[in-house]
Amino acid sequence: KAGVTQTPRYLIKTRGQQVTLSCSPISGHRSVSWYQQTPGQGLQFLFEYFSETQRNKGNFPGRFSGRQFSNSRSEMNVSTLELGDSALYLCASSWRGALQETQYFGPGTRLLVL
Amino acid sequence: SQELEQSPQSLIVQEGKNLTINCTSSKTLYGLYWYKQKYGEGLIFLMMLQKGGEEKSHEKITAKLDEKKQQSSLHITASQPSHAGIYLCGADKIEGGSEKLVFGKGTKLTVNP
Repeated sequence: KAGVTQTPRYLIKTRGQQVTLSCSPISGHRSVSWYQQTPGQGLQFLFEYFSETQRNKGNFPGRFSGRQFSNSRSEMNVSTLELGDSALYLCASSWRGALQETQYFGPGTRLLVL
Repeated sequence: SQELEQSPQSLIVQEGKNLTINCTSSKTLYGLYWYKQKYGEGLIFLMMLQKGGEEKSHEKITAKLDEKKQQSSLHITASQPSHAGIYLCGADKIEGGSEKLVFGKGTKLTVNP
């Protein structure tokens, strides 16, 4: 089974721009979660999508949004980029996204905002 | 709110030595996960623990969840350079009606040949 894939792997943007990141979950998995990882804050939960609906949300501003398609692929969008948005963005997939269910992570997209 | 504290923050060991990494929670853990991350890459799932006293092993890595379910330890026997990386513990959390996975800050392991 193919693992979780994320595109692009690296991205450089400037302040004020917007960016869209893509995540394809493991086949059969219906839940996709997004995380932001920075040296200062560590790994932080952004949001989770299940069957095209946002089911859970972390404490991030509205500039961070996402969506999920009928094939379970998910995209994350960040508008009006700020320097502090530079981070490794990870997505994870699981079958149901339920508690005590393992999440499998993709390799991440490294975003640099200049 | 539940936080996960990992110790130590970093660890340097000689190849062949045993080591232990700890993950402590301020609240009861219902699902505890151990992941390994190579610098700048995604997380590799190692083990999930659910029951108090549960212990699981994979190759030379053993993880245990204590009886009170507030602490987990990860033990590596006869460490090898391939064990180097950042080890993260994660736990299920319910907050404000939202479910999510929260993580410790990680333990950076260096294994010198």
